[in-house]
Amino acid sequence: QKEVEQDPGPLSVPEGAIVSLNCTYSNSAFQYFMWYRQYSRKGPELLMYTYSSGNKEDGRFTAQVDKSSKYISLFIRDSQPSDSATYLCAMSDGSSASKIIFGSGTRLSIRP
Amino acid sequence: SQTIHQWPATLVQPVGSPLSLECTVEGTSNPNLYWYRQAAGRGLQLLFYSVGIGQISSEVPQNLSASRPQDRQFILSSKKLLLSDSGFYLCAWSLGSGNTIYFGEGSWLTVV
Repeated sequence: QKEVEQDPGPLSVPEGAIVSLNCTYSNSAFQYFMWYRQYSRKGPELLMYTYSSGNKEDGRFTAQVDKSSKYISLFIRDSQPSDSATYLCAMSDGSSASKIIFGSGTRLSIRP
Repeated sequence: SQTIHQWPATLVQPVGSPLSLECTVEGTSNPNLYWYRQAAGRGLQLLFYSVGIGQISSEVPQNLSASRPQDRQFILSSKKLLLSDSGFYLCAWSLGSGNTIYFGEGSWLTVV
C-alpha cells in the first residue's frame, strides 16, 4: 500500500463548477499537508499549506484535512480554464522536508 | 523574496554522454536543497538532498551524482547517461526544518 493515494484522473468539469480533489494516506504521523499546482512542463507551485486538521481558505481555494479519516481535500470554487493543471497533494510528519511524501497527481481540465 | 533558477530547461543527450544540471537559489542563506525526478504517472522521486555545502544524501542508488560547491548552488551530474535517465528533473529548496519545499521550473532530459 502506498503511503499517499491520489486518483490520477483525468477530471474534466465545466467552467464555474466546484471541483473536489482528494488524497488518502496511511501514516497517522502526518501533520503537515500541502497542495501543489503544476502546469504542463513546469515545476510544481505551492498552492495551500495546512497543519493538522481543519479547513483553510484562500480565495477560491479551500483545503480540508480530516485526520481521523486520513483524508485531505482541495476544493476549487468558480473553476476557471486557467485552473487546468495537475494537482499534487503532499504531506509530512514534520521531521524533515526530505521526508515529504507526494501523491502522483490528479490531472484537472476545466472546459470553457 | 526567494527565487530558484534551474537550467538548462530542455536538453537532448546521447546515451553515454555526461550530464550537468545546475540550480541556484537567491534571497536566502543555508537552504536545504533537493533534486527530484518526475516520471509520468509515478509522482516525484527524491534523488538527492543537501543540508549544507559538501553534504549530500542519496536516496536512490543510480548513475547520477550531486554536488553542492556553494551555499546556494546545487548540481546534478552523470558521467554516462542511460536511456532510463530520461525524465523531468526538478530542483527544490526549503528552510531549516520547514515542512514545505519550493520547486524550480524543471529540466526536461531526453536521452537518445
